[in-house]
Amino acid sequence: ETGVTQSPTHLIKTRGQQVTLRCSSQSGHNTVSWYQQALGQGPQFIFQYYREEENGRGNFPPRFSGLQFPNYSSELNVNALELDDSALYLCASSPGQGWETQYFGPGTRLLVL
Amino acid sequence: EDKVVQSPLSLVVHEGDTVTLNCSYEVTNFRSLLWYKQEKKAPTFLFMLTSSGIEKKSGRLSSILDKKELSSILNITATQTGDSAIYLCAVAGWNNDMRFGAGTRLTVKP
Repeated sequence: ETGVTQSPTHLIKTRGQQVTLRCSSQSGHNTVSWYQQALGQGPQFIFQYYREEENGRGNFPPRFSGLQFPNYSSELNVNALELDDSALYLCASSPGQGWETQYFGPGTRLLVL
Repeated sequence: EDKVVQSPLSLVVHEGDTVTLNCSYEVTNFRSLLWYKQEKKAPTFLFMLTSSGIEKKSGRLSSILDKKELSSILNITATQTGDSAIYLCAVAGWNNDMRFGAGTRLTVKP
């Protein structure tokens, strides 16, 4: 039990739609990172937020965007969904310093039809 | 292009065996190397290795970082069925990103 929660657990969308995934971090964890994990692959880094500002970004198009709120919650928004967006989306929170020791949530499994 | 490569991709052993999992990396702004265990969904943190901490041990698990060879190994001794999982290696960069390998699926048979 990491203290990081994500919602929803599962989601089905159709191509072209938009989706918002939510993450609630541990209290006091100022850093949150989002990852996409396709079946049989390791997680791929989408972006990181620190104190509500984007702090690093992986090789994902602008239709992947995020927000972090003062109450340690965050969102991942994906516009114009494509079939290849089907994956497990993980968020991970960490204290501001030493962000690598992250605590992962259970993930949201997104299926795009 | 930066990359993290793990080997083998899968491994089947029997309880009591010792296993060694490998991770090699080519990352331009290396900050640290991490090992995670993923059983169902959420990866759980095992070790973090940096230039100032190249060897870590916890119970039956240990890990070493070889900065010269740009690689790391994760050893598990006296394996148990509960060790069955996917083991992920990741490299964190100074630009606040983290690159994962594809993982090694370990199956421990009774």
